[in-house]
Amino acid sequence: GEDVEQSLFLSVREGDSSVINCTYTDSSSTYLYWYKQEPGAGLQLLTYIFSNMDMKQDQRLTVLLNKKDKHLSLRIADTQTGDSAIYFCAERFRDSWGKLQFGAGTQVVVTP
Amino acid sequence: DGGITQSPKYLFRKEGQNVTLSCEQNLNHDAMYWYRQDPGQGLRLIYYSQIVNDFQKGDIAEGYSVSREKKESFPLTVTSAQKNPTAFYLCASSILLEGLGKNIQYFGAGTRLSVL
Repeated sequence: GEDVEQSLFLSVREGDSSVINCTYTDSSSTYLYWYKQEPGAGLQLLTYIFSNMDMKQDQRLTVLLNKKDKHLSLRIADTQTGDSAIYFCAERFRDSWGKLQFGAGTQVVVTP
Repeated sequence: DGGITQSPKYLFRKEGQNVTLSCEQNLNHDAMYWYRQDPGQGLRLIYYSQIVNDFQKGDIAEGYSVSREKKESFPLTVTSAQKNPTAFYLCASSILLEGLGKNIQYFGAGTRLSVL
C-alpha cells in the first residue's frame, strides 16, 4: 500500500526499553528516518539508517532494518520521562528529489 | 543560532479569509517544504521548493498557495478555497540533494491554525 504504518500508542515504564515498530512501503527506498515530536513542537531528527545497513546504534538508540519484510524498528534503552513524545518513521523514496513519506506517528508515554 | 522560524505560533482564520504563514530559514538550505499535520495522521506534503522562483505541488496542494522569492523565505497562504484549514502546519528545509543522498529535513516549531 501507500502508507507507512506504525502502531499509534506505546506505554512503557521508566527504565525499561521501548521498541517502536514501522512498516514502510517501498523496498527501493534509500534512507529511513526516525523523528521525535514533543507536544506543540516541530519534528526533531533522532537518527537515520541507509538501506544497505541492518543495524545502527547511537547511544541509547538502536535502529534495526529488515529489508525483506520492509520493517524498521527503534529501540530506546533505559527509557526516561523525557522520551515521552510522538515518534515518526519516514522513508526516502528513490526518486529525483527525495520525497519523504511519513507514518502517522507512535505516541510513547513513559510512566514512573 | 541557525534554524527555521515559523510565525505566528497560533493563527485564527475567519470564514472567507486568506491567511499567510511565515517560514524563514538561515541554514542556507536550497530546498523548503510545507506539511500539514492532523491528529492521528502523518505529515502530508502541501508544497515544496528546490530553488528560488520555483515550487511544486505536493500531495494536498488544493486551497493553498506559496511563493519563493528569496532563498530564506517560503510563505504559505491558506486560501478561502481550503474548506478545512484547521491543522498544525510545519515548515522544513534541507540541502539540495544530489543523486540518492539522504534528505535530512529540519523542521520549524509549527503554526497552529484554527477557524473562528
